[in-house]
Amino acid sequence: NAGVMQNPRHLVRRRGQEARLRCSPMKGHSHVYWYRQLPEEGLKFMVYLQKENIIDESGMPKERFSAEFPKEGPSILRIQQVVRGDSAAYFCASSAPGGNYGYTFGSGTRLTVV
Amino acid sequence: AQSVTQLGSHVSVSEGALVLLRCNYSSSVPPYLFWYVQYPNQGLQLLLKYTTGATLVKGINGFEAEFKKSETSFHLTKPSAHMSDAAEYFCAVREYPNNNDMRFGAGTRLTVKP
Repeated sequence: NAGVMQNPRHLVRRRGQEARLRCSPMKGHSHVYWYRQLPEEGLKFMVYLQKENIIDESGMPKERFSAEFPKEGPSILRIQQVVRGDSAAYFCASSAPGGNYGYTFGSGTRLTVV
Repeated sequence: AQSVTQLGSHVSVSEGALVLLRCNYSSSVPPYLFWYVQYPNQGLQLLLKYTTGATLVKGINGFEAEFKKSETSFHLTKPSAHMSDAAEYFCAVREYPNNNDMRFGAGTRLTVKP
């Protein structure tokens, strides 16, 4: 029973390139959340998605960042034209419907922009 | 929107001593509260959660937390620290069903001295 799977674990991109981060939720979970963790900081909410729908993207930067959760396949967090400030750990979490459940987190993707 | 404040970004205790990590929250509705632990280069693991019912909740690895509505607190404790408890701890609040995202505190790094 695999948990939340994120890949790649580590991603290095040059400034101006695109970064694509993938997240497969836990089996039976239909809600996906993306968080960003900067060095020495806590987790910052980015976006909440259900299949084919963005429910809440209030934490997403207005430019260069996008997310999707298609009917088939993993959720994708896409960062276009990366800059050094995008270097961070990006965590995906999933949950079943209902509010009294915690989230199950993946191991994260550590993005380094050089 | 809900928010969390963790007092003390770093806490150091001796092995065998009491662990106390502080968390205060703000929420416009009865909250769901969580504590997560993060070991180096790993994702977050749920330690315990409060949703409804008993205000003293027990979690994994001997940790427990008490929900105190009058103090808007959800402090995490463990009677006797073990070296393996050294990690980063995050308190989180969720205002389901008003909000779908979970808000995290900035984290407290626990160091355990031999």
